[in-house]
Amino acid sequence: KAGVTQTPRYLIKTRGQQVTLSCSPISGHRSVSWYQQTPGQGLQFLFEYFSETQRNKGNFPGRFSGRQFSNSRSEMNVSTLELGDSALYLCASSPSSGNTDTQYFGPGTRLTVL
Amino acid sequence: QQQVKQSPQSLIVQKGGISIINCAYENTAFDYFPWYQQFPGKGPALLIAIRPDVSEKKEGRFTISFNKSAKQFSLHIMDSQPGDSATYFCAAKPPGGYNKLIFGAGTRLAVHP
Repeated sequence: KAGVTQTPRYLIKTRGQQVTLSCSPISGHRSVSWYQQTPGQGLQFLFEYFSETQRNKGNFPGRFSGRQFSNSRSEMNVSTLELGDSALYLCASSPSSGNTDTQYFGPGTRLTVL
Repeated sequence: QQQVKQSPQSLIVQKGGISIINCAYENTAFDYFPWYQQFPGKGPALLIAIRPDVSEKKEGRFTISFNKSAKQFSLHIMDSQPGDSATYFCAAKPPGGYNKLIFGAGTRLAVHP
């Protein structure tokens, strides 16, 4: 099976702009989680979607939002970008049966905010 | 209560040696403890995971030791190789059936030939 894919791999934006990142989970996986990774804060959970519904959310401002489509692909959006949003954004997918706790990560999208 | 504390921050081991990374947690309700390996420019990859009803799990050269009473768990890498040089993260999952992981700060491991 193909792994988790994320597009684009790199993005450069300026403050105040908005950005949309995309994630395609492993085929058959219905859960998609998003994480932000920075040198200062480490890996932090943003939110999780399952069957098009957000079922868990981390402690991030409302500028961070996401959605999931019927084919399980997910997007996350960050509006009014701030310098501190520069990070590696990772998505992970989990199987719906068997080891449902296991999360498989994609390579991430590196976002730089200037 | 939701934190996972990881140590050391960095570790240098000689080839063939044992690498040991430790994590501690406060929330006794955590029910799943995975370890991830991350190479530069890549996403984290699951190495091995354990649940609190098991005290030890071994997969190849990687072993998790779990001490429920002390609320600690550790990763042991036997016969460490230069290819093991990476950043390692421990994590814990709160109960509830959802896929949220709380990560430790990471340990940068360098295995010298």
